[in-house]
Amino acid sequence: SAVISQKPSRDICQRGTSLTIQCQVDSQVTMMFWYRQQPGQSLTLIATANQGSEATYESGFVIDKFPISRPNLTFSTLTVSNMSPEDSSIYLCSVVVYRRSTDTQYFGPGTRLTVL
Amino acid sequence: GESVGLHLPTLSVQEGDNSIINCAYSNSASDYFIWYKQESGKGPQFIIDIRSNMDKRQGQRVTVLLNKTVKHLSLQIAATQPGDSAVYFCAETYYGQNFVFGPGTRLSVLP
Repeated sequence: SAVISQKPSRDICQRGTSLTIQCQVDSQVTMMFWYRQQPGQSLTLIATANQGSEATYESGFVIDKFPISRPNLTFSTLTVSNMSPEDSSIYLCSVVVYRRSTDTQYFGPGTRLTVL
Repeated sequence: GESVGLHLPTLSVQEGDNSIINCAYSNSASDYFIWYKQESGKGPQFIIDIRSNMDKRQGQRVTVLLNKTVKHLSLQIAATQPGDSAVYFCAETYYGQNFVFGPGTRLSVLP
């Protein structure tokens, strides 16, 4: 499996500001994703972080609001821009690792964001 | 985005009893399935997986059953303990692409 860390683990931010979340993996991985999980709900995929190219966003998510960087195969950042209370959520980084002859997805501990 | 479900169903079991958590998946072509456990304030943790060429797989105190005919997955936890209290998610994928997560089930273990 992969060991994934995220910074910060939690933050409380003011409306209109931006927060950058970092994700570090202990091994090189090709596929890295960012998810959002609102309270009491399942996981919503925001985007796939592509190394060396622009991220691929899911429907309903745009680069201006959630810019993503992926400078190498072990690191990525997600920025939540111009925040509003509706952005309060847990943001999760995940990676896909080849394990037992198949690809398995592992998650970081998450960043709990509260926007006032 | 990839999001399924709105509000979490809850399963309450007595400590020591067996728990069965169910999941209906959507894609009959999915070839790999995973169960995750998410404790409060933490990210989802991999518990057990199963490939579509199997119908049962056992781990430590956990068993996953796959019924491809009705596209149904279940997670059985033997002798449920307080530490098993968490939200459990199933996930399906086809060739490691496009992981789709179920709505999640909250397991509450009663003393």
